[in-house]
Amino acid sequence: NAGVTQTPKFQVLKTGQSMTLQCAQDMNHNSMYWYRQDPGMGLRLIYYSASEGTTDKGEVPNGYNVSRLNKREFSLRLESAAPSQTSVYFCASRGISGPSYEQYFGPGTRLTVT
Amino acid sequence: AQTVTQSQPEMSVQEAETVTLSCTYDTSESNYYLFWYKQPPSRQMILVIRQEAYKQQNATENRFSVNFQKAAKSFSLKISDSQLGDTAMYFCAFMKLLGGYQKVTFGTGTKLQVIP
Repeated sequence: NAGVTQTPKFQVLKTGQSMTLQCAQDMNHNSMYWYRQDPGMGLRLIYYSASEGTTDKGEVPNGYNVSRLNKREFSLRLESAAPSQTSVYFCASRGISGPSYEQYFGPGTRLTVT
Repeated sequence: AQTVTQSQPEMSVQEAETVTLSCTYDTSESNYYLFWYKQPPSRQMILVIRQEAYKQQNATENRFSVNFQKAAKSFSLKISDSQLGDTAMYFCAFMKLLGGYQKVTFGTGTKLQVIP
């Protein structure tokens, strides 16, 4: 199993450009999440999807949209990138059963907006 | 809202020594989970250890153990026999269940440097 995969690993955008970050998991998990990580601020939740067909805003959703394409895939879109969106983005997933309840994370995407 | 505080932005420890990373949290919940995640320079988030709030016994995983003080809302991580590979950012995380969705709150992290 690959676990949680993210593409791309690195991206540089100009202000106003758009792009989509892709995330896929092969663990048959129901819940999926997008976080951003900024220095000194830990991880902050952007959007989440508790199950296929549902999405909800997290702590910092402004400037982003998401799509839960199917159970495996959860994409994050920046419609008009801004320098404030320069960050490292992590996708995570979790199933509904099991004793541990931890989230499994992808390797991250480092995004720079100039 | 839950908050998680890691008051030590950076720490260092000599190889083979023991180090403790502190974490406090604020919640009115009685049932929740606590985690420590490790993030090495590769950026991959790796689960180190977990603790269920209803369990009084402190969790241990090999060289990693926690001191969970529920009344004090404290959840510290002890790393014994520190190794160079332990050099990383460490994040404390709090999780409560909301129906089928888990809300996770992360601390701001402690950067640990293991010195040879």
